[in-house]
Amino acid sequence: DAKTTQPTSMDCAEGRAANLPCNHSTISGNEYVYWYRQIHSQGPQYIIHGLKNNETNEMASLIITEDRKSSTLILPHATLRDTAVYYCIVRVVGTSYGKLTFGQGTILTVHP
Amino acid sequence: DAGVTQSPTHLIKTRGQQVTLRCSPKSGHDTVSWYQQALGQGPQFIFQYYEEEERQRGNFPDRFSGHQFPNYSSELNVNALLLGDSALYLCASSLDRGLFGKTQYFGPGTRLLVL
Repeated sequence: DAKTTQPTSMDCAEGRAANLPCNHSTISGNEYVYWYRQIHSQGPQYIIHGLKNNETNEMASLIITEDRKSSTLILPHATLRDTAVYYCIVRVVGTSYGKLTFGQGTILTVHP
Repeated sequence: DAGVTQSPTHLIKTRGQQVTLRCSPKSGHDTVSWYQQALGQGPQFIFQYYEEEERQRGNFPDRFSGHQFPNYSSELNVNALLLGDSALYLCASSLDRGLFGKTQYFGPGTRLLVL
C-alpha cells in the first residue's frame, strides 16, 4: 500500500471548516483513499473513502486532486467533538486482503 | 444494529501469562481483523480471519494466534506475555463481498496491561 504524509497537528476554531491535507504521491490506480479518526482511547471511526471523484457524506467531504497524488478531508462545521487523530490511508480494494496501514495521523484540535 | 463489540474492556496480566480477547463483528459482516495499538502510535495490523481461516498476517510473532468461529466472532490469543504487549487491541469487521463492502469498522478495543 502507498505511503501517506500528513501534518502532525492542526488547529481549527469551532464552527469553521477544518481542512486536513494528505499526500500520497505514490498511489496506484487501484488504491482508494480512506479516512478514519480516533478520539482519545476509542476505536478508529470510519469517515469516508474515495477513488478519484470527490465524495461527500453526512460526516465530511473528500476532495481528491486530479492526479490523485493528494487529497483533503473537509469537516464543514467543526465542533469540539471533532477533536481527534485523523488518519489518511491508501489501500487496494477489490482483493481478498484488507490490511489497513496506519501512519501517525494528524492531531486536530478544535478550539471554542 | 449492534456495531463491533469487544470483551473485556480492560485486562491486567503478568509477564509469562496467556490472554484471550474476544470480538463480535458488526451484524452481517464475515471478516475480522485484529490490530495492536501501542501508546502514541497508530494501530498495527496483526492478522485477518475469513471463513474461519487466517488469510493475512502482519509482522507479529507466533505468540499471537487467533480463531474465527462459524458465527464469525473471533478470538485473539497471546501467549507468554511480555511487557511490550501492553497496548490497546482493536478488532475490526468487514464484509468480504462487493467492491465497497470491505470497509473496516472498529470496535472500542481491549486495553491490556502487562505487569
